[in-house]
Amino acid sequence: AQRVTQPEKLLSVFKGAPVELKCNYSYSGSPELFWYVQYSRQRLQLLLRHISRESIKGFTADLNKGETSFHLKKPFAQEEDSAMYYCALHYQAGTALIFGKGTTLSVSS
Amino acid sequence: GAGVSQSPSNKVTEKGKDVELRCDPISGHTALYWYRQSLGQGLEFLIYFQGNSAPDKSGLPSDRFSAERTGGSVSTLTIQRTQQEDSAVYLCASSLEATGYGYTFGSGTRLTVV
Repeated sequence: AQRVTQPEKLLSVFKGAPVELKCNYSYSGSPELFWYVQYSRQRLQLLLRHISRESIKGFTADLNKGETSFHLKKPFAQEEDSAMYYCALHYQAGTALIFGKGTTLSVSS
Repeated sequence: GAGVSQSPSNKVTEKGKDVELRCDPISGHTALYWYRQSLGQGLEFLIYFQGNSAPDKSGLPSDRFSAERTGGSVSTLTIQRTQQEDSAVYLCASSLEATGYGYTFGSGTRLTVV
């Protein structure tokens, strides 16, 4: 079955430090991968998708099919990056997104 | 409407009671999804609607859970004989089509079973 694994429940870093939120997936085909973010007291929202290959708020993510990974990276963390981050997989038209369990990122000064 | 609306925002119920959670999606969005968000379990898929039909209800945890969607719009998630383990935030999302992209989430219903 398709699955998304986020091995870290909590990641704590200092402001200005690099951040990498890990995401691995299990699917033998070509999936679409996404990162969603939920800031405190806000709704869950899309951060980025692998197809766009864009950088949003300084975050990037590269799909590595060999390692079945889609890690989220930012070179210099900011306090406003503190939030819950979810990795999500879409594998077939007419199905729903499959989410990982999420990683809480805490950035302190 | 402008966004996905969920009601109530908070619900406290006694164990054994039935509850109904409502989701009003963005107008024109044909796909609607229910997820459950809880500590340690992340975001669990419950059920997905395309129009009024539910092609995938594989995530419903037990037969106490059911959902319907009428008029291709509003959806209701019903939990019968609630248990304490049902306590969670129930999130609804909608999208134009079930492509994986363009999800808009509601603010959720926080359910507490006491």
